Amino acid sequence: QVQLVESGGGVVQPGRSLRLSCAASGFTFSGYGMHWLRQAPGKGLEWVAAISYHASDKYYADSVKGRFTISRDNSKDTVYLHMNSLRPEDTAVYHCARTAIAGFAHWGPGTLVTVSS
Amino acid sequence: EIVMTQSPATLSVSPGERATLSCRASQSVSDNLAWYQQKPGQAPRLLIYGASTRATGIPARFSGSGSGTEFTLTISSLQSEDFAVYYCQQYNNWPPYTFGQGTKLEIK
Repeated sequence: QVQLVESGGGVVQPGRSLRLSCAASGFTFSGYGMHWLRQAPGKGLEWVAAISYHASDKYYADSVKGRFTISRDNSKDTVYLHMNSLRPEDTAVYHCARTAIAGFAHWGPGTLVTVSS
Repeated sequence: EIVMTQSPATLSVSPGERATLSCRASQSVSDNLAWYQQKPGQAPRLLIYGASTRATGIPARFSGSGSGTEFTLTISSLQSEDFAVYYCQQYNNWPPYTFGQGTKLEIK
């Protein structure tokens, strides 16, 4: 059974950094691309970043490009989101999701990031 | 970037009745369109992919149709557990993957 569990969220001041983790289980992690998506309070869904199974390809939304970095450790079945220069508009629940042929079939429950002074 | 627009923003329907939700893409996405259901405090749940294929475990009362720029999600006979927010998402041209703003399906 596919399971994704995010951690690392919390309250952080504007301009500071935070690293989110997503621990995967129930599937061969090294065989799948992974994604981060987010949802601001009371708002819709936004795709943030993606990384290929071998980590050689990475993609970002314009809203986070140059500030966020996605990475993975296949030996630990974990994908990360390194977030720098955080802004109040980055406040959201951050979900990781597994690549599928079509759509995102597997999501983690999410971790809340609040950017506030 | 492909912009996805959903209508209506809120839909009020009685249990047992049919609900029809719409999604429009700013350019053709072929049939590379997914629908999700989200309940408060939960992650989204994939309902439909390929515009019309139900995901694993999704009841037959959920159906999707359309291609190109116009898509529809139909719930044939609403159950109490179906009242939620629904999102469409295109995966034809990415990055970025883009979502509609959501339709809230509420009890009439």
